[in-house]
Amino acid sequence: SQTIHQWPATLVQPVGSPLSLECTVEGTSNPNLYWYRQAAGRGLQLLFYSVGIGQISSEVPQNLSASRPQDRQFILSSKKLLLSDSGFYLCAWSALITAQYFGPGTRLLVL
Amino acid sequence: GQQVMQIPQYQHVQEGEDFTTYCNSSTTLSNIQWYKQRPGGHPVFLIQLVKSGEVKKQKRLTFQFGEAKKNSSLHITATQTTDVGTYFCAGWGADGLTFGKGTHLIIQP
Repeated sequence: SQTIHQWPATLVQPVGSPLSLECTVEGTSNPNLYWYRQAAGRGLQLLFYSVGIGQISSEVPQNLSASRPQDRQFILSSKKLLLSDSGFYLCAWSALITAQYFGPGTRLLVL
Repeated sequence: GQQVMQIPQYQHVQEGEDFTTYCNSSTTLSNIQWYKQRPGGHPVFLIQLVKSGEVKKQKRLTFQFGEAKKNSSLHITATQTTDVGTYFCAGWGADGLTFGKGTHLIIQP
């Protein structure tokens, strides 16, 4: 069966510090991968998606970037965090236009 | 671009009452999906509807896809405290998958 891992679960970072969040998927090949951000009590904002290694599409211009160095690895990064980057970051995978399966998420607080 | 509107934003019900959330798309959809997010958790896929007019049931949950494939609803019969959470619809259209903003279901015992 397929599983999706995200780490860390929680993160507190100072403004201006770098960020690296990692997501890995097991049990499937060539998945579509997604990064979402969710503000407290709000909806899901799609940040990036990838249909293959090295292929990244950005949905929202921002302080973040994404990379897919391996088929089942998706990384979200920032060189300098802003206060507005705080939120709940969710990684998800899907096969074509089927359901998306979310990881447990990372709660990021930028102080 | 494609928009998916979901109402209501919040719904308070007494335990045992029914609950319905509605989803409307600005464009025709290939399919519609429903997710549930428990407080403090991540969204979990519930179901996908593909056919015009399709109705699917999961125990006390009934999902409908409109004839025009632009709207959908989720109905919960006799809510229980375990139903608490946020219910999201998400529609696959020309712009990919678009999530609604969700309906927060609050249940008072």
